[in-house]
Amino acid sequence: KAGVTQTPRYLIKTRGQQVTLSCSPISGHRSVSWYQQTPGQGLQFLFEYFSETQRNKGNFPGRFSGRQFSNSRSEMNVSTLELGDSALYLCASSLGGLANEQFFGPGTRLTVL
Amino acid sequence: GENVEQHPSTLSVQEGDSAVIKCTYSDSASNYFPWYKQELGKRPQLIIDIRSNVGEKKDQRIAVTLNKTAKHFSLHITETQPEDSAVYFCAAAPGTYKYIFGTGTRLKVLA
Repeated sequence: KAGVTQTPRYLIKTRGQQVTLSCSPISGHRSVSWYQQTPGQGLQFLFEYFSETQRNKGNFPGRFSGRQFSNSRSEMNVSTLELGDSALYLCASSLGGLANEQFFGPGTRLTVL
Repeated sequence: GENVEQHPSTLSVQEGDSAVIKCTYSDSASNYFPWYKQELGKRPQLIIDIRSNVGEKKDQRIAVTLNKTAKHFSLHITETQPEDSAVYFCAAAPGTYKYIFGTGTRLKVLA
């Protein structure tokens, strides 16, 4: 079974631009969660989607948004990029229950200049 | 609010010794506690998890203990090996389709 994939793996953007990241979950997984990982801060929860519905979101500004498609693939968008948005963005897929194992993708490394 | 505190932030042990990482969570509704290992440049991978109806779980050299009263859970690694060197994250799931992660522990196993 193929693992979670994320594209692109690396991105370099400048302040003020916007970016879209993509995540393809493991086949059969309907839940996709997104996390921001920065040194010293661990993994900060962004949002979770299940069957195209956002079920929860973290404490991030409205510049961070996401969506999920009918095939469970998910995208997240960050508008008006700031230097502080530089991070590794990880997505994780699971079956979708309240306490299921999450499988992580390799991440997208975003650098904002 | 929802929070998971993890200690220590760095831990160095001699090969063959034991390592213990501790986490404390705030939301008493949390009922699932996974531990992830992240090697340098790689994705986090689940190494062990425990649910709220269990006090301890073991898998070879790795064990996790849970004290729901104290809202405290710990990871124990025995007979450490150089390949155990990585960053370890604890997490708690408060039953709201989100996982709250600790800030990570960088474990170094010295040969």
